[in-house]
Amino acid sequence: DAKTTQPPSMDCAEGRAANLPCNHSTISGNEYVYWYRQIHSQGPQYIIHGLKNNETNEMASLIITEDRKSSTLILPHATLRDTAVYYCIVSGSSNTGKLIFGQGTTLQVKP
Amino acid sequence: SAVISQKPSRDICQRGTSLTIQCQVDSQVTMMFWYRQQPGQSLTLIATANQGSEATYESGFVIDKFPISRPNLTFSTLTVSNMSPEDSSIYLCSGELSWNEQFFGPGTRLTVL
Repeated sequence: DAKTTQPPSMDCAEGRAANLPCNHSTISGNEYVYWYRQIHSQGPQYIIHGLKNNETNEMASLIITEDRKSSTLILPHATLRDTAVYYCIVSGSSNTGKLIFGQGTTLQVKP
Repeated sequence: SAVISQKPSRDICQRGTSLTIQCQVDSQVTMMFWYRQQPGQSLTLIATANQGSEATYESGFVIDKFPISRPNLTFSTLTVSNMSPEDSSIYLCSGELSWNEQFFGPGTRLTVL
């Protein structure tokens, strides 16, 4: 079973920031938080990952709470092309690279 | 980054037959994986394709039904054997370049009649 909990769906206005929450209250010390997204009819795409510090790249920012029990993926200026299913995944060295996907959050960006 | 291609992109097969799906990566990857995505569902990991040895299967998946080969660091195949309509899914492969950053192929859409 997935170790994360995400809302099934969210809406966001185009040009606004999209904030996608994820709960991972059972995360262990050596596990990272990963975010992937799957645009319709495509394979999943890696977005970002982090351990305990906040991370930012050209696609998004990842904010991890101090207790590491939850995180938020931020798309700073959502576009229509960001409409996708977003998966929050917890994984560490004990998983030998395996990614266990939950149901994810369907983000609908609206004009 | 890595580019992953899969063949075929889609197929329609008859019950009882087998289909082999190919996965090619444009660079050497440490790990390769096969996933299944049933209609309207999330991805389910089938197995880890190990180079030069038998694949490691997840609970609910067996080698007789889903034999996997990985002869080198850039190529793997998944065979769906003795197919039934319940095997109709999208099958995706992925490769891991750096630790846990996986790149996915576009998927193979399989329909079994």
